Amino acid sequence: GAVVSQHPSWVICKSGTSVKIECRSLDFQATTMFWYRQFPKQSLMLMATSNEGSKATYEQGVEKDKFLINHASLTLSTLTVTSAHPEDSSFYICSARSQDRGDTGELFFGEGSRLTVL
Amino acid sequence: GQNIDQPTEMTATEGAIVQINCTYQTSGFNGLFWYQQHAGEAPTFLSYNVLDGLEEKGRFSSFLSRSKGYSYLLLKELQMKDSASYLCATMDSNYQLIWGAGTKLIIKP
Repeated sequence: GAVVSQHPSWVICKSGTSVKIECRSLDFQATTMFWYRQFPKQSLMLMATSNEGSKATYEQGVEKDKFLINHASLTLSTLTVTSAHPEDSSFYICSARSQDRGDTGELFFGEGSRLTVL
Repeated sequence: GQNIDQPTEMTATEGAIVQINCTYQTSGFNGLFWYQQHAGEAPTFLSYNVLDGLEEKGRFSSFLSRSKGYSYLLLKELQMKDSASYLCATMDSNYQLIWGAGTKLIIKP
């Protein structure tokens, strides 16, 4: 199957600092990438849809100025959590849909990034 | 509104068969997915149904009835490694996934 790599897997930062999480499709081109957040014992929640070369579409309630998404190429999307606070501590997961494989709807997920804000 | 229901937790015995049900109400329908998620890891794709009927893939099978808004995931010959959460998700008319809360499956020896 297709591979999506997410980095870093774990990150601990101080309150008020910014953290960047990268999501790369390693063996396919991804025109669309999705960013999710999962709090403990809760389901995945879609934060935003990232389209290559255009602005991300954010879900209701997600602050676009706080969660900056950049999808500059067909293989890379980044999520930057700006001025992080303890309530931003969560598991962040990216997924990608392949342009090359037709629209089967199958999503390929990164390994996830666990953010802890002190 | 959009709603997906699945049991919170199920317990089964190693070697047995278990069926995890999912009912849904969504605006627009472009298929139903089942994902497996082990604690602390990202979900992995198990199955995708867009037409009515049963899709079999090894020990796992998934069934869909669009008229009833119902799906199930069937796991046969259960192994201890199958202990995980199983997420049901539908894709709406905008190709966005709508996730259920997941069913935690506990396998006992």
